[in-house]
Amino acid sequence: GQQVMQIPQYQHVQEGEDFTTYCNSSTTLSNIQWYKQRPGGHPVFLIQLVKSGEVKKQKRLTFQFGEAKKNSSLHITATQTTDVGTYFCAGGSNYKLTFGKGTLLTVNP
Amino acid sequence: DVKVTQSSRYLVKRTGEKVFLECVQDMDHENMFWYRQDPGLGLRLIYFSYDVKMKEKGDIPEGYSVSREKKERFSLILESASTNQTSMYLCASSLALLGADTQYFGPGTRLTVL
Repeated sequence: GQQVMQIPQYQHVQEGEDFTTYCNSSTTLSNIQWYKQRPGGHPVFLIQLVKSGEVKKQKRLTFQFGEAKKNSSLHITATQTTDVGTYFCAGGSNYKLTFGKGTLLTVNP
Repeated sequence: DVKVTQSSRYLVKRTGEKVFLECVQDMDHENMFWYRQDPGLGLRLIYFSYDVKMKEKGDIPEGYSVSREKKERFSLILESASTNQTSMYLCASSLALLGADTQYFGPGTRLTVL
């Protein structure tokens, strides 16, 4: 079945450093979604990418969808303490959304 | 705003008890999902439903059953709770399966089985 791998599992940064998490699918995706889960909270939808090579930005967050629609990345520029949490990618294919295991980001002030 | 609510934030049960976890969404979404979340394992799909009275097994359905009698409500049932079912349970809903639509999550129920 479809698998979505996400790396790294954990990332600790100093405030102000950049952060990137990567997502790879075993199959071609119809879309990729990104979610954020704050500590003690639940996953919250951030963004969806559907086109090959698509790049979207939300303030300091940049999301990319690969040309082959099998990989994606989330990059945060100049992290802040409010960025802490677990970031999940989720690949859509065959009417199913498959979540990666997430990357836990911690930020040292 | 979509609102997904779950009946309890915290629940403690004993081994062998029958446990009901309830989820309600207020946006007339077609699809509803139950996940469990454990450290290092991410979100694992237990069951989902794409219509009233319809259900499909997810990746880890063993030991669980579900019920969807009304569109807005999706229940997860642990027929005989076991300690390895101690976990965070998350309910989600989405408008349509087509294109694997955005999912909206409830606040979660942290279940402890003693």
